[in-house]
Amino acid sequence: SAVISQKPSRDICQRGTSLTIQCQVDSQVTMMFWYRQQPGQSLTLIATANQGSEATYESGFVIDKFPISRPNLTFSTLTVSNMSPEDSSIYLCSVRQGGGYGYTFGSGTRLTVV
Amino acid sequence: GENVEQHPSTLSVQEGDSAVIKCTYSDSASNYFPWYKQELGKRPQLIIDIRSNVGEKKDQRIAVTLNKTAKHFSLHITETQPEDSAVYFCAASILGGQNFVFGPGTRLSVLP
Repeated sequence: SAVISQKPSRDICQRGTSLTIQCQVDSQVTMMFWYRQQPGQSLTLIATANQGSEATYESGFVIDKFPISRPNLTFSTLTVSNMSPEDSSIYLCSVRQGGGYGYTFGSGTRLTVV
Repeated sequence: GENVEQHPSTLSVQEGDSAVIKCTYSDSASNYFPWYKQELGKRPQLIIDIRSNVGEKKDQRIAVTLNKTAKHFSLHITETQPEDSAVYFCAASILGGQNFVFGPGTRLSVLP
């Protein structure tokens, strides 16, 4: 399965600032996915990032708040903009294995907004 | 859209006993059902999955069963061990689709 490196692993940020999370995959993948896991909750898809096109956002998530870059087939970034305490969550990138197998997740970024 | 429910939300079992977690889904088009285990502070990891063309799949101490008619699937863990303690998430999707819809999770505690 793919190996995913995600950084930072954690950060504490002031409200009103932005944080960019990086995700690097050891193989080329068509789609990369960004998930949010609020404290004690399940995983919710934020957006799907395709190389060379705009990311596709799920209901409740907008590009101005969560801009995504996908400059090549192994790398993506998610920015959490104008942060508020409600953005405190774990953010995970993931890729889908070929043949319809489940996702592999990055190690996650634990974000705390104060 | 798809909705996945999961029960129970918490489960405590004695070491060596079996644990069963049940999920239901709403979209009859869903045909792929993975289970993820998330240990405290770690990433979710795929432990077993099942496609809609089979009713049961086993891998050592874990098994998953699927009832397409009733739209529910279950995770079975036998001979539980303390290292099985974690949060387990079920999910439903369409093979080749982009979005997995995850259940709310079950916190399993295996008591020594």
